[in-house]
Amino acid sequence: AQSVTQLDSQVPVFEEAPVELRCNYSSSVSVYLFWYVQYPNQGLQLLLKYLSGSTLVKGINGFEAEFNKSQTSFHLRKPSVHISDTAEYFCAVSDQGTDKLIFGTGTRLQVFP
Amino acid sequence: NAGVMQNPRHLVRRRGQEARLRCSPMKGHSHVYWYRQLPEEGLKFMVYLQKENIIDESGMPKERFSAEFPKEGPSILRIQQVVRGDSAAYFCASSQQGTGAEPLHFGNGTRLTVT
Repeated sequence: AQSVTQLDSQVPVFEEAPVELRCNYSSSVSVYLFWYVQYPNQGLQLLLKYLSGSTLVKGINGFEAEFNKSQTSFHLRKPSVHISDTAEYFCAVSDQGTDKLIFGTGTRLQVFP
Repeated sequence: NAGVMQNPRHLVRRRGQEARLRCSPMKGHSHVYWYRQLPEEGLKFMVYLQKENIIDESGMPKERFSAEFPKEGPSILRIQQVVRGDSAAYFCASSQQGTGAEPLHFGNGTRLTVT
């Protein structure tokens, strides 16, 4: 069965600093990978997705992620964070051919002024 | 084009009552997914439905929980005889094709509190 590990439950960072949120998945088959963001009391919004092709994926709000098949990782990065990036970030995986997403436990990014 | 609509946003039930959560998918979407988010945890898959069919209910508790997606109207997640452990945020998501190549669109959730 698929599983997703987000190693950091919380990541505190100062404004304008770079950030990396880590995500590893377990799978021996082809997968789709996603990062979602959740603001307080809201649903999930898609940041970016990897389906195939280039391993570097650019998303909204200046975020990007790199798919690394050999390390089964899909880490999320942003070179310079803003206060407004404070939120919960979820990594998710699905088997190709299905929408069923398996989520990690989330990383709470807290940006300080 | 309205997004995924869930109602109510907040629902309070006493132990033993029934909870009904409604989800209207995006226009043109026929695939609906329900997820549960417990405090400080990620989202756990519960059930996947298409119109009038349950495709995958591997994440649904065996008792008290049921889901439907009728030909007309919203998808309903029903929890009978609620217990305190059912307190959580329940999210609905929808997609058009169900192939995984398009992302799921999520509603804002229903926050169920059992007192």
